[in-house]
Amino acid sequence: SQKIEQNSEALNIQEGKTATLTCNYTNYSPAYLQWYRQDPGRGPVFLLLIRENEKEKRKERLKVTFDTTLKQSLFHITASQPADSATYLCALLNSGGYQKVTFGTGTKLQVIP
Amino acid sequence: DAGVIQSPRHEVTEMGQEVTLRCKPISGHDYLFWYRQTMMRGLELLIYFNNNVPIDDSGMPEDRFSAKMPNASFSTLKIQPSEPRDSAVYFCASSSRANVLTFGAGSRLTVL
Repeated sequence: SQKIEQNSEALNIQEGKTATLTCNYTNYSPAYLQWYRQDPGRGPVFLLLIRENEKEKRKERLKVTFDTTLKQSLFHITASQPADSATYLCALLNSGGYQKVTFGTGTKLQVIP
Repeated sequence: DAGVIQSPRHEVTEMGQEVTLRCKPISGHDYLFWYRQTMMRGLELLIYFNNNVPIDDSGMPEDRFSAKMPNASFSTLKIQPSEPRDSAVYFCASSSRANVLTFGAGSRLTVL
């Protein structure tokens, strides 16, 4: 069966350090992978998209890597700040012409001052 | 743009009642998605539309759930009759390319 797995346990990290979140998938051939941020009581907000033929994407303090051999994406936040505390969701669009975006369950990040 | 607008933000109802959730997508977006989020199952895709036409409703849990999109600026998700296990946050999202989704604030449904 198809799965998108993210660490269900919360990640606690000291302010200023780099936070690394993992997204693993099974039985998908993603055309691209996305990362979203979700704050309590709000809808997810798009952060970054990386395509299957890209290895790495950066945006300010954010970096995403995509390894289609390992079937894994890593999401990094450098110089983390308490304001980065949120739940981070990865999402896949499977290749094959269908526009169905499927989400992982998310990882809660807590940045400690 | 006001973004994706959902109503109501909160709904508390009793088992067996009909529930209607509403969504106004971003103008110009031709894809609309309905998701449900629970602690146990995360964010699940229920149904999505392209140019007001339902494309994939395989995520709709059962016949009690139905969704419509009568025009490009309005969609509804209806549950009839509602059950306690339907309690969740329901999100509507829209997209112009079906890859970057813009979500609404969600409708929190509690069925007693």
